[in-house]
Amino acid sequence: QSALTQPRSVSGSPGQSVTISCTGTSSDVGGYNYVSWYQQYPGKAPKLIIYDVSQRPSGVPNRFSGSKSGNTASLTISGLQAEDEADYYCSSYAGSYTLVFGGGTKLTVL
Amino acid sequence: QLQLQESGPGLVKPSETLSLTCTISGGSISSSGYYWGWIRQPPGKGLEWIGSIYYSGNTYYNPSLKSRVTISVDTSKNQFSLKLTSVTAADTAVYYCARHSTVTTFVFAYWGQGTLVTVSS
Repeated sequence: QSALTQPRSVSGSPGQSVTISCTGTSSDVGGYNYVSWYQQYPGKAPKLIIYDVSQRPSGVPNRFSGSKSGNTASLTISGLQAEDEADYYCSSYAGSYTLVFGGGTKLTVL
Repeated sequence: QLQLQESGPGLVKPSETLSLTCTISGGSISSSGYYWGWIRQPPGKGLEWIGSIYYSGNTYYNPSLKSRVTISVDTSKNQFSLKLTSVTAADTAVYYCARHSTVTTFVFAYWGQGTLVTVSS
């Protein structure tokens, strides 16, 4: 059970769109539609922003969207805002009632 | 509003056992359909799921930590606990407790604030 692969960092200017990828295998991301995404500010607990690949919890702006193709899930943030600068983590069910997280991506708003 | 709060020693010696407790307020640990988990984050690194428990006592562990981890529940105190044995410096991390849905979707919607545990002599 290896960590999911995310880019270490991504960046974008206000108003632009950015996409963060999360690559796993057919045993986790590719095998189930149980991918979640979390936003984490420094020194704070993670916050759920996407679950079940593309579902948004109540209160999360629709600028955040999720998708999946094969063994790779993606988080897209459109209309980038300064407050979106944070770390983002994906997670996926990995079978046998286990969970695996991605290594995290630092989003910088230029 | 559901709240979770981690508590326990902030410093543990190598080879000893790390023990943490998560106290739940604003809700019941016995709520049907919800599981309670532990996640950790070494300084400057990513998240790692440690394991989860249902109020009935059913447990689910990360295979990489299973041999050293025990998660238990105390419904009378609305708490659940983590024990990690034979700790090393690699176990230094912020430890979070959280509530999630099923043990397939693992949607962590509620988190504690986290507690830093340092392993050092």
